[in-house]
Amino acid sequence: NAGVTQTPKFRILKIGQSMTLQCTQDMNHNYMYWYRQDPGMGLKLIYYSVGAGITDKGEVPNGYNVSRSTTEDFPLRLELAAPSQTSVYFCASSFGLSNTGELFFGEGSRLTVL
Amino acid sequence: AQTVTQSQPEMSVQEAETVTLSCTYDTSENNYYLFWYKQPPSRQMILVIRQEAYKQQNATENRFSVNFQKAAKSFSLKISDSQLGDTAMYFCAFMSPTGTASKLTFGTGTRLQVTL
Repeated sequence: NAGVTQTPKFRILKIGQSMTLQCTQDMNHNYMYWYRQDPGMGLKLIYYSVGAGITDKGEVPNGYNVSRSTTEDFPLRLELAAPSQTSVYFCASSFGLSNTGELFFGEGSRLTVL
Repeated sequence: AQTVTQSQPEMSVQEAETVTLSCTYDTSENNYYLFWYKQPPSRQMILVIRQEAYKQQNATENRFSVNFQKAAKSFSLKISDSQLGDTAMYFCAFMSPTGTASKLTFGTGTRLQVTL
């Protein structure tokens, strides 16, 4: 039972480079989320999706893009990486409040921009 | 917008003792959901306990229980008989049932160290 799988787990980028963080879930959840976790700051919502083809901005969307072409996959794209994007990124999924509301998280991706 | 405040950045407790982690929140809504998540050194977030605001009874899950004070907007987590495996970051989180997605708003976390 894989749950939520994120890749890569670690990545170092140079300023101005681009990359995609992959996220896939096998629980048939409609809702998917991307959070970033900075030291001492808790988790901030970047983007979320309520189903395939539907995405929306969260609290800190600048510098990121997402797509949701299937129920399972929710990749996060970083364009023109900046040092401020150095963080740990978490993907999560949920059935929403039609169930318990519990979010299931991936193991995180640590990104460093130098 | 909702805010969640955890005023204890770090706490320490001895094995087998009891510890309480504090959380307060701010919202104008009457119905909502509160969560405690645990993040061990492995980084993966795990749900510890969940409370629905319309339920007066405090949630319990084995050694974990909450003290939910709706009027005071307080949601503390009590860990009884602490174990070394409880060492982790603990995040309090708020979820509103309104809107199109069940988004969580997190506090800044409390780092708990369980010692021998």
